[in-house]
Amino acid sequence: QVHLQESGPGLVKPSGTLSLTCAVSGGSITTSNWWTWVRQSPGKGLEWIGEIFHTGNINYNPSLKSRVTISADKAMNQFSLKLNSVTAADTAVYYCARTPLVGGLIDYWGQGTLVTVSS
Amino acid sequence: DIQMTQSPSSVSASVGDRVTITCRASQGISNWLAWYQQKPGKAPKALIFGTFNLQSGVPSRFSGSGSGTDFTLTISSLQPEDFATYYCQQANSFPRTFGGGTKVEIK
Repeated sequence: QVHLQESGPGLVKPSGTLSLTCAVSGGSITTSNWWTWVRQSPGKGLEWIGEIFHTGNINYNPSLKSRVTISADKAMNQFSLKLNSVTAADTAVYYCARTPLVGGLIDYWGQGTLVTVSS
Repeated sequence: DIQMTQSPSSVSASVGDRVTITCRASQGISNWLAWYQQKPGKAPKALIFGTFNLQSGVPSRFSGSGSGTDFTLTISSLQPEDFATYYCQQANSFPRTFGGGTKVEIK
């Protein structure tokens, strides 16, 4: 059973950088899966941020691409999200998740972590 | 981006009712459509992929249908644990996009 756990600061100042890490257990990130970030603003719907494959292939949401970096650390079996120049609009619950190579279904999700952008 | 539109945005139903949720894509996505269930304070849970394939462990009262641009999620006999918000998501192209959600409430 794959388990994903997000970690990182819960409060980020405006214009700062949001940094989150997702630790993966119960399976290696070098398997045939995309490792995905999704966010959900308070009371709102879901927004796909992007994903990374262990070979280094990355897909980003164009709406965030200029500010987002997703990376993976195979040795630590984790992947990370950085979002710079944040504003209050980036306040959200951030989920890390797994998307199998075929099918596009996000089948495993972390519990999510709330990141608030405020001074 | 492909826009995903769900209807209704909320529905009130009773235990045992049949509930149908609709999802429409702004352009054809073949069968690349997934459904999720989300309860308050929890992460979404995968229900269906490829329009009609049930994820492992999902009860058979859930079913999906459709193709192209129009899709439905049906709960054949609503159970107490099914009261939640449901989202569709297209996996045909990038960026992946979700519908706005349908909240299934107790009548």
